[in-house]
Amino acid sequence: EAQVTQNPRYLITVTGKKLTVTCSQNMNHEYMSWYRQDPGLGLRQIYYSMNVEVTDKGDVPEGYKVSRKEKRNFPLILESPSPNQTSLYFCASRITGIGNSPLHFGNGTRLTVT
Amino acid sequence: GDSVTQMEGPVTLSEEAFLTINCTYTATGYPSLFWYVQYPGEGLQLLLKATKADDKGSNKGFEATYRKETTSFHLEKGSVQVSDSAVYFCALPNQAGTALIFGKGTTLSVSS
Repeated sequence: EAQVTQNPRYLITVTGKKLTVTCSQNMNHEYMSWYRQDPGLGLRQIYYSMNVEVTDKGDVPEGYKVSRKEKRNFPLILESPSPNQTSLYFCASRITGIGNSPLHFGNGTRLTVT
Repeated sequence: GDSVTQMEGPVTLSEEAFLTINCTYTATGYPSLFWYVQYPGEGLQLLLKATKADDKGSNKGFEATYRKETTSFHLEKGSVQVSDSAVYFCALPNQAGTALIFGKGTTLSVSS
């Protein structure tokens, strides 16, 4: 089954404790991206990757890192999480870097930073 | 810059009622337009899309027509079901094609 898989689904952590949210897709998509969803703000892009070893900042990249060493994986790293990073995070992928292709989303990771 | 404006929710309807969720956009050129749906506890799924002016996207009884004149892409369904309860997002690609710009979402609640 074609899918984007994120782990974990739920994560509670404390301020400053490094964490990684994994994302993997099995559709051989070139493009991958991370969004965060917050009440009243909708979805905002954190980082994106047009292909292996090519990553770039989205609208809200501060406090996050990503890497794209393999085509299928695109982990999101929070080196020193803070409470304002409490949010619902989504990984997404699509077949090309062209904007007209639809995005495929994972089921989300709900992160709470205390 | 490009943007999407959706009607605020929540929208509460009885089963078999007619649904309209308004979406207007601001964009340079004529990008593709999308509606995504988010069911409780799940990620967003593509509901329908339209790639050019006057195109009508349709899926699962939902329809939306790309109106260049009014810069709108309103979502409609003739008879909603309880299972349609979800959050609906209107979206378009940014100019660089590197991200989707989403509206803030409209929550639909359908009761039997």
